[in-house]
Amino acid sequence: QVQLQESGPGLVKPSQTLSLTCNVSGGSISSGFYYCSWIRQTAGKGLEWIGRIYTSGSTNYNPSLKSRVSISIDTSKNQFSLKLSSVTAADTAVYYCAREYQLLSTDVFDIWGPGTMVTVSS
Amino acid sequence: DIQMTQSPSSLSASVGDRVTITCQASQDISNYLNWYQQKSGKAPKLLIYDGSNLETGVPSRFSGSGSGTDFTFTISSLQPEDIATYYCQQYDNLPITFGQGTRLEIK
Repeated sequence: QVQLQESGPGLVKPSQTLSLTCNVSGGSISSGFYYCSWIRQTAGKGLEWIGRIYTSGSTNYNPSLKSRVSISIDTSKNQFSLKLSSVTAADTAVYYCAREYQLLSTDVFDIWGPGTMVTVSS
Repeated sequence: DIQMTQSPSSLSASVGDRVTITCQASQDISNYLNWYQQKSGKAPKLLIYDGSNLETGVPSRFSGSGSGTDFTFTISSLQPEDIATYYCQQYDNLPITFGQGTRLEIK
């Protein structure tokens, strides 16, 4: 059974870079029709899709964050990562990694990590 | 971006009630819509995909319908464990977007 787990600092200073990693266990990150995605949740904006990466390395980002976001994948470690630069208090959120399954016309976030709270504060 | 508007934003109902949540897309998204349940302190869980398909293992009291811009999510007989916030999500166009959520409480 595939499981995802986010890890990274819970506190980041303003203007610095937020870095999170999602470790995938119970299955290979390279198998199947999957994207590795990042989603965040704030009280003010609800659930916000940040972006995703395919096992080939191709990426898609939310235009609202595109200038500050980078998602990478390391298939040898079965993990993928998020970097968000120049953070402000508005980036304070619970960050989730999720498996995005695509087949034909179906596209779902079928497996989620438990989420990790990141606070931006000096 | 495609805007997803859910209503109501909160709902109070009794055990056994039929509960309906609506989701409206700002443009035609065909049936490219999913529904998720999020319990307090937990990650969202997929319930319905492609507008009306029940995810494996999800109780049959949950259902979804609709296409185009208007969608409905229904719980046929509310159970105490259904207390959660429910979200719709479109994947017709990037960026993927979610509704603002409907918080469901027991009366």
